[in-house]
Formats: sequence, structure tokens, C-alpha cells
Amino acid sequence: GAGVSQSPSNKVTEKGKDVELRCDPISGHTALYWYRQSLGQGLEFLIYFQGNSAPDKSGLPSDRFSAERTGGSVSTLTIQRTQQEDSAVYLCASSLSPYTSGNTIYFGEGSWLTVV
Amino acid sequence: AQSVTQPDIHITVSEGASLELRCNYSYGATPYLFWYVQSPGQGLQLLLKYFSGDTLVQGIKGFEAEFKRSQSSFNLRKPSVHWSDAAEYFCAVGTGTASKLTFGTGTRLQVTL
Repeated sequence: GAGVSQSPSNKVTEKGKDVELRCDPISGHTALYWYRQSLGQGLEFLIYFQGNSAPDKSGLPSDRFSAERTGGSVSTLTIQRTQQEDSAVYLCASSLSPYTSGNTIYFGEGSWLTVV
Repeated sequence: AQSVTQPDIHITVSEGASLELRCNYSYGATPYLFWYVQSPGQGLQLLLKYFSGDTLVQGIKGFEAEFKRSQSSFNLRKPSVHWSDAAEYFCAVGTGTASKLTFGTGTRLQVTL
């Protein structure tokens, strides 16, 4: 696609339920990032994929959070047993290769998660 | 670990006035530096980036930023602000040894007519 696509754009879920957030990166982009943006906060790094592997998952806040990437393309971020503090915008981003090569990181519009 | 500080949470300027948004970073070596803009309900868009070379970087939409190593700063400037520049601006730093960018908490820009 033309840009990074995320779905759903909005999700309201009950506390304790599991949610899945999907990211479709720009075609051909090998690097994929997940960030979380809470109200009044900056962007908090969650996980980085290079291809299908995740060499850096240091930002995942707890074992309730997991992510996978298949076929070097689509990624899914799963939050189990959601809590109210998980309410945030989850942003996905991709780049042709790691940004250190000079490539621009492009962001999607985010998935707004509300846990009630 | 690297960190980024954007000391101004909210700035209001009049249309046509000049703008400077401040960004300070903490990192022992020369970092990779970025400015992103986020309009309401939108994703982040890259304005400009500094990797090496000329410390004055030109970006899109008439923005520029200057890397000052002695001050650990990367301030964003625009000589004449337009109403459409109202948005949230994020400074980010990358170290090259880590895969991630570290973002500041953002500065919300309001433009009055």
C-alpha cells in the first residue's frame, strides 16, 4: 500500500479481554516498529522487527503483551487480559531497512484502544 | 540510555511570526536526530533529520533545525508560521546502537490568526 495501514482504527474493549492490533507496513519495508502513545505522553517504544524476527522487544511492558510478524510483512500486537492502563494509541511504523541506513521511518495513523 | 527533553509543552504564536521549538538530548556520542509532526488524528510525519555533516538541516514545509553539539540541542525553527502548522511536534533521538528512536513528550503548537 501507499502507507502504513493499521486496524482497527478504534477499539473499545472490556477489562480482562484480549485484543489484537494489526499493522500492514509499506511494501518492501523490512524494519517494523510498534510504539505506544498515552495521553500527554511521548511515544513509548514497544518492539522492533527486522524481517520476521524481533531483535529488540525491550519495551514490551509486561508478559501480557506480545507481537509477531509473518512473511516479513504484516504484524500483530496482542494484548491479553487488558487493563485500563493499556488505554492508549498504538502506533506502527516501518522503514525500508533500519533507520541507521538513512531510511525514513513512516508511521501509521494508529489504533486507539480504550479499555473500560 | 539516551533521553530527549522538550521543555515547552504548549506554545502559542501568531500567524506570520517566527517559531523556535526546543529539543535537548542526553547521549554521550553524536546521535541521529529527528523532528516529527503529528496533526490531530494523524500519524507522525518526518519534518527533517540529522545524521552527519552540515549542522543546519532543511526540512519540509519550510522548517529547519540546527544541531549544536556543545548545547546538546536540536531546535526546530520556522521564520513565518502558517495556521496549518498547528500540530504537535516531537523530537527524537537514535543512537545507532539501538534499533529504536527515543521520543520527547512533544510540544503542542497553537497558531492564532
